[in-house]
Amino acid sequence: TQTVSQSDAHVTVFEGDSVELRCNYSYGGSIYLSWYIQHHGHGLQFLLKYYSGNPVVQGVNGFEAEFSKSDSSFHLRKASVHWSDSAVYFCAVSPITGNTGKLIFGLGTTLQVQP
Amino acid sequence: EAGVTQSPRYAVLQEGQAVSFWCDPISGHDTLYWYQQPRDQGPQLLVYFRDEAVIDNSQLPSDRFSAVRPKGTNSTLKIQSAKQGDTATYLCASSRLGVYEQYFGPGTRLTVL
Repeated sequence: TQTVSQSDAHVTVFEGDSVELRCNYSYGGSIYLSWYIQHHGHGLQFLLKYYSGNPVVQGVNGFEAEFSKSDSSFHLRKASVHWSDSAVYFCAVSPITGNTGKLIFGLGTTLQVQP
Repeated sequence: EAGVTQSPRYAVLQEGQAVSFWCDPISGHDTLYWYQQPRDQGPQLLVYFRDEAVIDNSQLPSDRFSAVRPKGTNSTLKIQSAKQGDTATYLCASSRLGVYEQYFGPGTRLTVL
């Protein structure tokens, strides 16, 4: 069974603060990890991805994520948030086997950035 | 490049009514996905196509839901007899084979009364 766990349903920070959104996964095979952002009333937008190599990957708008095999985690970070970063963030895994491209999403973390 | 487009953006139905959702993927994307996103949850895959072929519809409630992509481009998702539990946002996404990055449309927000 493949699962994606995002332990924090809501995170509130102030503009300029750093933030970490947590993602843990459970899957027995090779996977592709990614983060997506969803602004209210819109579809999801791709932020970044990891499959192999350097465990720290850079994404758009100053976001980065770090993969840890030992912790089965792929946490998303940003050093200094802006009010426009307020949105719902989804972590997703995609099994490599079968080359399906299917995404299995977590429940999401709502990030609220206060001025 | 134009993004994924969906219509309608909103739909409100009584239980038992039928509704169709339409999706136009990004040109050249051979893979098309339909997701159901209940309120305050992550998207859950319903069905996906590679060109015109259904690859996986195991999560599609087959007694009431159907999806087609006859020419391998646009797609239609239909609910034959809607139930209140179908209330959700229906998202369409597309990608190229072997590329693990999906492009999502704005979604259709369905409310079943």
